[in-house]
Amino acid sequence: GAVVSQHPSWVICKSGTSVKIECRSLDFQATTMFWYRQFPKQSLMLMATSNEGSKATYEQGVEKDKFLINHASLTLSTLTVTSAHPEDSSFYICSARDTPTSGGPGNTQYFGPGTRLTVL
Amino acid sequence: AQSVTQPDIHITVSEGASLELRCNYSYGATPYLFWYVQSPGQGLQLLLKYFSGDTLVQGIKGFEAEFKRSQSSFNLRKPSVHWSDAAEYFCAVGYDYKLSFGAGTTVTVRA
Repeated sequence: GAVVSQHPSWVICKSGTSVKIECRSLDFQATTMFWYRQFPKQSLMLMATSNEGSKATYEQGVEKDKFLINHASLTLSTLTVTSAHPEDSSFYICSARDTPTSGGPGNTQYFGPGTRLTVL
Repeated sequence: AQSVTQPDIHITVSEGASLELRCNYSYGATPYLFWYVQSPGQGLQLLLKYFSGDTLVQGIKGFEAEFKRSQSSFNLRKPSVHWSDAAEYFCAVGYDYKLSFGAGTTVTVRA
C-alpha cells in the first residue's frame, strides 16, 4: 500500500515553455501533498504544500506564479513550471501524506519516484 | 526551529559488515522521526518511523533505529549490509505535517 506515482518520469523542454508534472496517490486518499525540489547530491527542499480544494502554501523564496500547484482531487496534485528556464532544471519529487481515515497515523509522507526536468 | 543533522556525508562499509548512520535533531516538541532511503534517480522509500512508544523501531530491509531523547538522536543501524543497501539515506523530523530533512548520508558498499 501507500504508492505514489509521478508522471512523467523525465521531461526535456525548451526555454520559455511550460511543463506539467502529475502526482497521484494510487491506493489511498491524500488531502495533503507536497512538492520538493532536489539538486544533485543535495537534500530535498520543500517547495509547497498542496491541499485538496484549496490554494497551495508556498515556502519562503518559492515563486508561486512560476510554480503553479493544483490539487483538484484527493488523489491528484499537479505542478506546472511556467515559462521554464535552464535554472529550473532539477529533480522534482512529490509526496502524499496519509490521513487517519486511510489507516495511517496521519503524519507519514509517501514519495513518488520523481521527475527529472531539463530545460534547454 | 526544527533541524536535522547527519554528521556523516559519506560512509563506506564492506558487504556483511554492520552499518550505523547518525542523525541528530533539534525540535521543541515531541518529534516524529523518519528514515528514508533513495536510490540514484529515484524517489524516497520509507525505511522506518518513530512516533511514540518503544524507542527501538524496526523497519524494512533489516534496518532498525533507536530514539534517544536525552541525546536528541535517532541513529539507523543494520547488522549486516548487502550490496543493494548502497544508496542515499535521509533522516527527517516531522513538524506541522511537514518534513525537515537532513543533508543525507551516502552509503557505499564494497565487496
